[in-house]
Amino acid sequence: GAGVSQSPRYKVAKRGQDVALRCDPISGHVSLFWYQQALGQGPEFLTYFQNEAQLDKSGLPSDRFFAERPEGSVSTLKIQRTQQEDSAVYLCASKSAGDSETQYFGPGTRLLVL
Amino acid sequence: GDSVTQMEGPVTLSEEAFLTINCTYTATGYPSLFWYVQYPGEGLQLLLKATKADDKGSNKGFEATYRKETTSFHLEKGSVQVSDSAVYFCALSDLIQGAQKLVFGQGTRLTINP
Repeated sequence: GAGVSQSPRYKVAKRGQDVALRCDPISGHVSLFWYQQALGQGPEFLTYFQNEAQLDKSGLPSDRFFAERPEGSVSTLKIQRTQQEDSAVYLCASKSAGDSETQYFGPGTRLLVL
Repeated sequence: GDSVTQMEGPVTLSEEAFLTINCTYTATGYPSLFWYVQYPGEGLQLLLKATKADDKGSNKGFEATYRKETTSFHLEKGSVQVSDSAVYFCALSDLIQGAQKLVFGQGTRLTINP
């Protein structure tokens, strides 16, 4: 079946611009995660949803970052007033209720802020 | 907080060589441990996992054993192939603490030469 998809795959933004990154999880997966992966580093947790509820947003680096999942399926990560340090790959992952351990990752969105 | 430390890369080996990538962790609870792999141009894929002490995860000829006494989860393969060239990430998920997120190491880039 279809895996996790993300769009756009690449985004170039000018400093100060707002961006929105989309994640389509595997159908039926109740848990959804966002991670940020800087160049040459491992992914770092940003936020977590169970259905439409945002249960953990402890990893969001500033109040410029906002995530939503209004219908418990597709999620959007929004970054306002982008800064150069926001340049990274943003990864989305989903997990089913039955498998309590394994997260399935999308291909990521590579964001470059100029 | 929880953390994962991986062997520094990059690692370059010849085909059919023996591979070890070291991984140690720090956690306050009872984490599950994972190895994820990122092939060039692709997203993160789960390679193997172990959920409790002394469990051995295995897949595609790779193995890792959950060693609670040494807080380690080293990845091994007896005979590597060129197709194993990728970036490997060790990670933990501490569900007992209620944290659903994955905590990753910094990644180890592996190159296998024919």
